[in-house]
Amino acid sequence: SQQGEEDPQALSIQEGENATMNCSYKTSINNLQWYRQNSGRGLVHLILIRSNEREKHSGRLRVTLDTSKKSSSLLITASRAADTASYFCATDFAGNNRKLIWGLGTSLAVNP
Amino acid sequence: EAGVAQSPRYKIIEKRQSVAFWCNPISGHATLYWYQQILGQGPKLLIQFQNNGVVDDSQLPKDRFSAERLKGVDSTLKIQPAKLEDSAVYLCASSPSLAGYYEQYFGPGTRLTVT
Repeated sequence: SQQGEEDPQALSIQEGENATMNCSYKTSINNLQWYRQNSGRGLVHLILIRSNEREKHSGRLRVTLDTSKKSSSLLITASRAADTASYFCATDFAGNNRKLIWGLGTSLAVNP
Repeated sequence: EAGVAQSPRYKIIEKRQSVAFWCNPISGHATLYWYQQILGQGPKLLIQFQNNGVVDDSQLPKDRFSAERLKGVDSTLKIQPAKLEDSAVYLCASSPSLAGYYEQYFGPGTRLTVT
């Protein structure tokens, strides 16, 4: 399967703590994208990191990409209850017509 | 900017019945995707259009599922006849183009329950 794999499957933390989620994949990519899904806002794009980039930031989000290890991580700093959601990595594989292959997701619960 | 629109939001049907979902992408977006998302899993691509042409339908169960994108704008996805295992959320997404690096914009989805 070309599916990315997120780790851990579930994560529960207290408000204010940091949350780290990891994604591993199997073949060369054009880019890797992180999405968030909750019942209120559906599936929303967070960050896109290209294969020649190593780190990107967006507000409280930090994404790293290690193409040698075929892995990426998403760090959410100073978490809030509103960050409670499922987080998915999606990989755009080279020569794949921009088809995204999705992982199973990490379920994050931020407790007030 | 208006987002991706989908209807209906919810649908309950009996097995062997037919159902259709509608999607209107963000204006000007050339690429349109239909996904199936089963509870607890990530989205699975069913079909991808570039304008009104099919780019990828390798995971579409063509014996029961069909999709079209007439005039390269809105799209419909049909299931006929439905099976119990088709119960899922059907997501429509769009992006500006296949060229370059673009994220996908998702609609709210249609939750289908087959009884």
